[in-house]
Amino acid sequence: GAVVSQHPSWVICKSGTSVKIECRSLDFQATTMFWYRQFPKQSLMLMATSNEGSKATYEQGVEKDKFLINHASLTLSTLTVTSAHPEDSSFYICSARDVSTQYFGPGTRLTVL
Amino acid sequence: DAKTTQPNSMESNEEEPVHLPCNHSTISGTDYIHWYRQLPSQGPEYVIHGLTSNVNNRMASLAIAEDRKSSTLILHRATLRDAAVYYCIPYNAGGTSYGKLTFGQGTILTVHP
Repeated sequence: GAVVSQHPSWVICKSGTSVKIECRSLDFQATTMFWYRQFPKQSLMLMATSNEGSKATYEQGVEKDKFLINHASLTLSTLTVTSAHPEDSSFYICSARDVSTQYFGPGTRLTVL
Repeated sequence: DAKTTQPNSMESNEEEPVHLPCNHSTISGTDYIHWYRQLPSQGPEYVIHGLTSNVNNRMASLAIAEDRKSSTLILHRATLRDAAVYYCIPYNAGGTSYGKLTFGQGTILTVHP
């Protein structure tokens, strides 16, 4: 099956700093990628849709200036959490859309101290 | 988005078959039924999808009701590695939802040795 990678797999940062998470589709090209967030014991919540070569589309309630998304190529999308605070601590997961379905990365555990 | 109803949890013994049900009575005619599973601290893993006919792959089988209002994911011989949260999601990669996947609470499958 198609493979999606994320880097880093976990990160710990201080409050107020920015963190960048990379999402790569390794064996297919993805014009559309998605970013999700998952808090403990909850389901995945879609944050934004990342489209190659254009601006991301954010879900209601997600601050676009805080969660910067760049989809510069057909195999790479990045999510930057700016001025991170403890409430941003979560499990961030990306997915890449193939022809008929989506494939997910392994996730990035962000802890903000 | 079509709503789904799944049992909160199910249990099985190792090497026994498991039938995971899902009701999706408001599914649109163009939505495929996708199943994903998520192991602890990992991103969701694609399992199987189908439209009308029953589908088989190396991981599982998908039985779809004739009226498409419900489906059942079948794990033929459960292993301990199948313990996960299973999500049933009506999905159209190119539909009006722009390929968004909406995750419900899913079914927590526990497999006993």
